Amino acid sequence: SQQGEEDPQALSIQEGENATMNCSYKTSINNLQWYRQNSGRGLVHLILIRSNEREKHSGRLRVTLDTSKKSSSLLITASRAADTASYFCATDLNTGGFKTIFGAGTRLFVKA
Amino acid sequence: KAGVTQTPRYLIKTRGQQVTLSCSPISGHRSVSWYQQTPGQGLQFLFEYFSETQRNKGNFPGRFSGRQFSNSRSEMNVSTLELGDSALYLCASSPPGLAGGTDTQYFGPGTRLTVL
Repeated sequence: SQQGEEDPQALSIQEGENATMNCSYKTSINNLQWYRQNSGRGLVHLILIRSNEREKHSGRLRVTLDTSKKSSSLLITASRAADTASYFCATDLNTGGFKTIFGAGTRLFVKA
Repeated sequence: KAGVTQTPRYLIKTRGQQVTLSCSPISGHRSVSWYQQTPGQGLQFLFEYFSETQRNKGNFPGRFSGRQFSNSRSEMNVSTLELGDSALYLCASSPPGLAGGTDTQYFGPGTRLTVL
């Protein structure tokens, strides 16, 4: 089963609005990352938040992490049509090296 | 720096055949991971190679195998293809961090495999 589960599965908003996506995971992690994917192409890394961090910002992106609830949220502010994509959270289990587990993703559609 | 490259980009095979996909990581990156993405199962971790050694492995049958060369380039092989192997196969590379698994992964564009 997947480690990360995103909520909602799909989100449709107007340009200029904020978009919030949530992710829950099951086991302890080293870090949590958010990725974007456009139309079945490769993934683009957005932001990484380590297990000892609670909040991180990058441009219009804000990520929070609550390890006690095993959850994270991604906020995209002032969304643009170009933000239309699928967004995935990914967690690395506490193993040596990478064993990244992705959630099912949230499909975001931003209407112009 | 050039990004992660994957070849071929598209591939059509028939059931029972085998296929080899190639991934060239970003220069200086030593970790290469492979993922399978399907509409039904989403993104699933296949395996990770570091310095020519498989460091982590996902829950895939033995028909899926991989290797890494001394220049960090990696290949994955799928033998006896099944219809369900149709997917986008993504590879990702990462620089060596203070501890493995704590750095960002950079993804290639993927190889779309169709099994008929």
